Amino acid sequence: DADVTQTPRNRITKTGKRIMLECSQTKGHDRMYWYRQDPGLGLQLIYYSFDVKDINKGEISDGYSVSRQAQAKFSLSLESAIPNQTALYFCATSDSTGTLYNEQFFGPGTRLTVL
Amino acid sequence: AQKVTQAQTEISVVEKEDVTLDCVYETRDTTYYLFWYKQPPSGELVFLIRRNSFDEQNEISGRYSWNFQKSTSSFNFTITASQVVDSAVYFCALSGSNFGNEKLTFGTGTRLTIIP
Repeated sequence: DADVTQTPRNRITKTGKRIMLECSQTKGHDRMYWYRQDPGLGLQLIYYSFDVKDINKGEISDGYSVSRQAQAKFSLSLESAIPNQTALYFCATSDSTGTLYNEQFFGPGTRLTVL
Repeated sequence: AQKVTQAQTEISVVEKEDVTLDCVYETRDTTYYLFWYKQPPSGELVFLIRRNSFDEQNEISGRYSWNFQKSTSSFNFTITASQVVDSAVYFCALSGSNFGNEKLTFGTGTRLTIIP
């Protein structure tokens, strides 16, 4: 089984709808991240969480919110989706305590289309 | 602020040729980490290498090699004897090492196409 899973893998929604993307991990890592990838722009950080009680904004947090329900779960919400939020979304995890400190492990991605 | 520049947007080479992907970075941190990721057409991100700023030794892994030069703030990636399966988008990334500064900053990627 994959260590970092994302659901759904693909989603088509309409402008104005609320949508939630979910991320779960079995790696036991304390840190989790949400990134967005647009063609030609690389990955941009939306939000990150260093533990269950810690939530931080990234470079492009406007229009998004997150919830860290447990150490293993980090969800990303679009309260009112708009077409320019059409992108590939990645969740990632990292371990602040291990020898692989600083290395991030990515989920398979969620392709979101907002019509 | 951290910045990663991958000036080559797209590269095409014929199979079996060698190809080098360039990565230039900017950071004020004295200790930092550099990464390369591969994104094949299927979309997932595949980790290739992590390099600590204190370790300037070049690394070779099969057909892949990395040249880290602190003096020019570059971390270039070379594929020797390229194969069609190497076709992908490659991302260079940078993170600090201080607590709270470990976020990854990505370059915009280089799309590599290997022509059979």
